[in-house]
Amino acid sequence: DAKTTQPPSMDCAEGRAANLPCNHSTISGNEYVYWYRQIHSQGPQYIIHGLKNNETNEMASLIITEDRKSSTLILPHATLRDTAVYYCIVRGTSGSRLTFGEGTQLTVNP
Amino acid sequence: EAQVTQNPRYLITVTGKKLTVTCSQNMNHEYMSWYRQDPGLGLRQIYYSMNVEVTDKGDVPEGYKVSRKEKRNFPLILESPSPNQTSLYFCASSNARYNEQFFGPGTRLTVL
Repeated sequence: DAKTTQPPSMDCAEGRAANLPCNHSTISGNEYVYWYRQIHSQGPQYIIHGLKNNETNEMASLIITEDRKSSTLILPHATLRDTAVYYCIVRGTSGSRLTFGEGTQLTVNP
Repeated sequence: EAQVTQNPRYLITVTGKKLTVTCSQNMNHEYMSWYRQDPGLGLRQIYYSMNVEVTDKGDVPEGYKVSRKEKRNFPLILESPSPNQTSLYFCASSNARYNEQFFGPGTRLTVL
């Protein structure tokens, strides 16, 4: 599975959009981009995933660049409860595991 | 409520004393797995199971055993725990190998 690079930390004001970037320059054609988050040592929570088209659900939007080498997770109106570590994971069909890196610690400030 | 449950949530034990961490899911998922999380190392997969009686090693299987006799349960067994198995453990399940995984609340294990 392709390696991902994320900033170690970001801050966001409550009510504003949080844009979390992820680089995955070695991604291959059949690999999906997944986003999970982990709130203070709780079990990781699935957020969204996509292949090449932009995706949106009730939690977030995922924007994948046309060359698929990077993506951005958007939380449109961040709340204090969105403070968590966000993991960007690239996952293909050759393995069964999710490979979590260090992620981005997002802190939403009042 | 759809969920993955783990027991116990916290456990302190001593070296060599066999223990089992249970995992159960009520979503009829075929796929289940165990991860451990350590500072600076992220989550690493220990074992996974694609269905009843089908299990396979993940990245760090040494010192662990698993079984999948029923679809809903996937216990993690430490036959002879050692201090380097002190960690935060998560069980996860999904309805297919590549679909979103649902994680349990975690089990914090300390081996003295």
